[in-house]
Amino acid sequence: DTAVSQTPKYLVTQMGNDKSIKCEQNLGHDTMYWYKQDSKKFLKIMFSYNNKELIINETVPNRFSPKSPDKAHLNLHINSLELGDSAVYFCASSRIAGMTDTQYFGPGTRLTVL
Amino acid sequence: AQSVTQPDIHITVSEGASLELRCNYSYGATPYLFWYVQSPGQGLQLLLKYFSGDTLVQGIKGFEAEFKRSQSSFNLRKPSVHWSDAAEYFCAVGGRNFNKFYFGSGTKLNVKP
Repeated sequence: DTAVSQTPKYLVTQMGNDKSIKCEQNLGHDTMYWYKQDSKKFLKIMFSYNNKELIINETVPNRFSPKSPDKAHLNLHINSLELGDSAVYFCASSRIAGMTDTQYFGPGTRLTVL
Repeated sequence: AQSVTQPDIHITVSEGASLELRCNYSYGATPYLFWYVQSPGQGLQLLLKYFSGDTLVQGIKGFEAEFKRSQSSFNLRKPSVHWSDAAEYFCAVGGRNFNKFYFGSGTKLNVKP
């Protein structure tokens, strides 16, 4: 009965490949997020969707494309992977958008680009 | 610009000792402040948050934090640390006028038996 789940947990791939990370939440939340945690542990938001609509789109290379097929899912597709994309990617969800509602995080996906 | 500084990268305390983790923020208006904990291999879990009102906030697992506007700080405290508290702790700031967090770089807590 995991609240926010991500697959895969680990992803090792070569430069130039295309890969996807999936996220699902079973909390009935309206808002979902993708964060990137770099090697220095800085956690930075990439995207946010509210009711399947994009509401936050930070300065992220357009090789990164989020897709929300429904409110419970927010997937992250990355084209032409680069070494600098190596990081831990966290998905999160909240009941509503905005700062006042608690965000629930998934366990993270550690992406390593060789 | 908004930012969060956690000056201590690593802290080691003995089990049963008190703990204080420092957090300083930069934000031009009244901040929303948060502390999250990340256990190894896990996602982040919210410990506590401050929006307004009483500047001393109680959270889960016996943690508390105090908002000091004059010092732009939101330090996390626990009177007696347990071995299970060993984890990484992240402070974050948000605000009414935007809908995203700015996170600090984290403080890794080790607990000695």
